[in-house]
Amino acid sequence: QKEVEQDPGPLSVPEGAIVSLNCTYSNSAFQYFMWYRQYSRKGPELLMYTYSSGNKEDGRFTAQVDKSSKYISLFIRDSQPSDSATYLCATLKTSYDKVIFGPGTSLSVIP
Amino acid sequence: EADIYQTPRYLVIGTGKKITLECSQTMGHDKMYWYQQDPGMELHLIHYSYGVNSTEKGDLSSESTVSRIRTEHFPLTLESARPSHTSQYLCASSAPTNEKLFFGSGTQLSVL
Repeated sequence: QKEVEQDPGPLSVPEGAIVSLNCTYSNSAFQYFMWYRQYSRKGPELLMYTYSSGNKEDGRFTAQVDKSSKYISLFIRDSQPSDSATYLCATLKTSYDKVIFGPGTSLSVIP
Repeated sequence: EADIYQTPRYLVIGTGKKITLECSQTMGHDKMYWYQQDPGMELHLIHYSYGVNSTEKGDLSSESTVSRIRTEHFPLTLESARPSHTSQYLCASSAPTNEKLFFGSGTQLSVL
């Protein structure tokens, strides 16, 4: 079983839609949860990270962690064509551990 | 914008050639990483370094080697390229903790 799983998509939504991207993880020792965005032919860039359970909001983006169900979500409000990218979830046990990445979900926002 | 640079961006090369992929960062980060990424697949850590003269193999076995003689520079070398090495190679750095990795734009390697 992979440590972090994501539906690879592709996911296609109309501009302005609310997007929900999800990951599940297998190890309850994970405590740090990150979302990276990767545009085509580019390296990933960190969007958001959260520690332990709860929500974190940054503009149109909300990250949610439910440790009881080992479920991580990223919500994008008022989606824009510029949000079209692959979204990678990632986890850490401690902040000094090696990062474990999911395979990513490809998102297309159609104008 | 992250100050981590990879060259070349694209490389097409024949089997058996020796290649070096360059990675440099200007942020003074001690930790640097090489990841391999195939289309639609997760990032796999192949090498990492926590400082000068420190290198370790990652989770995915790789025939490549790395060196870390200067803090800012972390090149990856393949002594004899093969078609199975065709992939995207991404360099990253972080400091002091790992919640935030800074990635370069990657090198897309094609071995014919």
